[in-house]
Amino acid sequence: EPEVTQTPSHQVTQMGQEVILRCVPISNHLYFYWYRQILGQKVEFLVSFYNNEISEKSEIFDDQFSVERPDGSNFTLKIRSTKLEDSAMYFCASSFTQGRTEAFFGQGTRLTVV
Amino acid sequence: SQQGEEDPQALSIQEGENATMNCSYKTSINNLQWYRQNSGRGLVHLILIRSNEREKHSGRLRVTLDTSKKSSSLLITASRAADTASYFCATELSGTYKYIFGTGTRLKVLA
Repeated sequence: EPEVTQTPSHQVTQMGQEVILRCVPISNHLYFYWYRQILGQKVEFLVSFYNNEISEKSEIFDDQFSVERPDGSNFTLKIRSTKLEDSAMYFCASSFTQGRTEAFFGQGTRLTVV
Repeated sequence: SQQGEEDPQALSIQEGENATMNCSYKTSINNLQWYRQNSGRGLVHLILIRSNEREKHSGRLRVTLDTSKKSSSLLITASRAADTASYFCATELSGTYKYIFGTGTRLKVLA
């Protein structure tokens, strides 16, 4: 069964460093998303991406964050200068359409900023 | 209250019993999806119900949607210990490209 895959599963980084989280969405999907979940808290929307541009973003997704689809398969989230409060589980998701079909999530990347 | 609130926050039942979780939301939606999350793991998609649907079934899962009350329920019948997890509803708001997750219900099924 097709699935969304994320790498790495766990990343530890020093405060102020840049990190790139990688995702391979399901191959025929057109809509892509990043979410995060701080330990013990809600799953929060970060950004959605369609047709090579950001469709929507939350107030969490500030200038420190960027997304890219560098080729036909990968979808990346970059955090330019990590802060302690960026420590969270980051989930990538994809869906075929908007509004009518399921959104499938990856297993997540646990980011720890020290 | 926030968009997407589940109740109860926690539920503990015996194996074989049914578990019912509720989700309420505030604004108009395209669809509502339920997910399961085992501790510290990924979000597993369970079922999607569109705004023009009232009920859907998938195996031991039954989901209802009442758009007039802005609420949904997830029923797991004949629960198993393996159903122990957190369950979230996620609403896709009309006119947006995002899903808003609820606070989740932590279900514990005792063997």
